[in-house]
Amino acid sequence: EVQLVESGGGLVKPGGSLRLSCAASGFTFSSYSMNWVRQAPGKGLEWVSSISSSSSYIYYADSVKGRFTISRDNAKNSLYLQMNSLRAEDTAVYYCARTAMVTNWFDPWGQGTLVTVSS
Amino acid sequence: EIVLTQSPATLSLSPGERATLSCRASQSVSSYLAWYQQKPGQAPRLLIYDASNRATGIPARFSGSGSGTDFTLTISSLEPEDFAVYYCQQRSNWPSYTFGQGTKLEIK
Repeated sequence: EVQLVESGGGLVKPGGSLRLSCAASGFTFSSYSMNWVRQAPGKGLEWVSSISSSSSYIYYADSVKGRFTISRDNAKNSLYLQMNSLRAEDTAVYYCARTAMVTNWFDPWGQGTLVTVSS
Repeated sequence: EIVLTQSPATLSLSPGERATLSCRASQSVSSYLAWYQQKPGQAPRLLIYDASNRATGIPARFSGSGSGTDFTLTISSLEPEDFAVYYCQQRSNWPSYTFGQGTKLEIK
């Protein structure tokens, strides 16, 4: 069974840093592009960042460019999101999602981890 | 940036009824549009991709149509488990993706 499990969320002060992790299982992680998508409380979905299977290509939404860094460790079947200079507007549930090879859409998604930026 | 506008914001229907959800793009996205379902406390689930293709395991009562700027998700006969929030997503200007603001399908 394909599974994505996020961790690392929590409460952090404005200006602080946090590193999210996404543990993948049930598929050949090194063959797939991966993504981070976030959802502010009671709001819609916002794409954050994507990384290709070999880390050759990395993309960010303008809202996080220069502050967030996506990375992966294929040996550990893990995806990461390093978040620096956090702002209140970064408060959200962060989901990792696989780019499905056949459809090129986000499928499946993990259950998410909540990041709260507040003093 | 391509903006996706979903309508209505909330749709109130009864089980057994037909649901029609709309997603309009600010410029053509060709057929690069997907629909996701999200239930409370759960992650989104891919329903429809490339405007009209059902994802694996999705019941036949879900169908998608449209191209260019106007898209529709239709649920032919609502089941109790279909009441959720539905989002459209485009990848026409990949590597940037955008989502619509969502349509909440609630029980009348």
